Amino acid sequence: EPEVTQTPSHQVTQMGQEVILRCVPISNHLYFYWYRQILGQKVEFLVSFYNNEISEKSEIFDDQFSVERPDGSNFTLKIRSTKLEDSAMYFCASSDYWNTEAFFGQGTRLTVV
Amino acid sequence: SQQGEEDPQALSIQEGENATMNCSYKTSINNLQWYRQNSGRGLVHLILIRSNEREKHSGRLRVTLDTSKKSSSLLITASRAADTASYFCATAYASGNTPLVFGKGTRLSVIA
Repeated sequence: EPEVTQTPSHQVTQMGQEVILRCVPISNHLYFYWYRQILGQKVEFLVSFYNNEISEKSEIFDDQFSVERPDGSNFTLKIRSTKLEDSAMYFCASSDYWNTEAFFGQGTRLTVV
Repeated sequence: SQQGEEDPQALSIQEGENATMNCSYKTSINNLQWYRQNSGRGLVHLILIRSNEREKHSGRLRVTLDTSKKSSSLLITASRAADTASYFCATAYASGNTPLVFGKGTRLSVIA
């Protein structure tokens, strides 16, 4: 069964450092998403990506965040200057159509110290 | 906030019992989805129910949707210890390009 893969599974970084979280969505899907989940809390939408550009983004997705699909398979989330409050699980997801069944990766646990 | 709200927040039952979780939402939807999350893992899609559907089944799962009350319920029958997880509803709102909005989830514990 196709799956979404994310790397790394866990990343520890110093405050102020840049991090890149990587994802390989399901190959024939058209929509890609990043969500985050602070420990034990709700799953929050960050950004969606379609046709090689951002289609929607939330208030959380400020200038410190960016996304790229550099080579047609990988989908990355970059945080330029991490803050303590960026510590969370970051989930990548993909779907074939907008807001239909989304397939999630296992997540990257980001810890900012 | 357009966020869906599940209740209860936590539910503890014995193996073999049925578990019912509810979700309420605010405005018109295209569909509503239920996801499961094992501790520290990714979300797994369980079932999608469209706004023109009232009930849907998948194995031991039964989902109902009442658009007049803006609510949905997820029933897990004959629960097993392996059903222990958090369950989230996610609403696909009809207006504009709002992405899937997840509720806070129900933590289900099934005791063997």
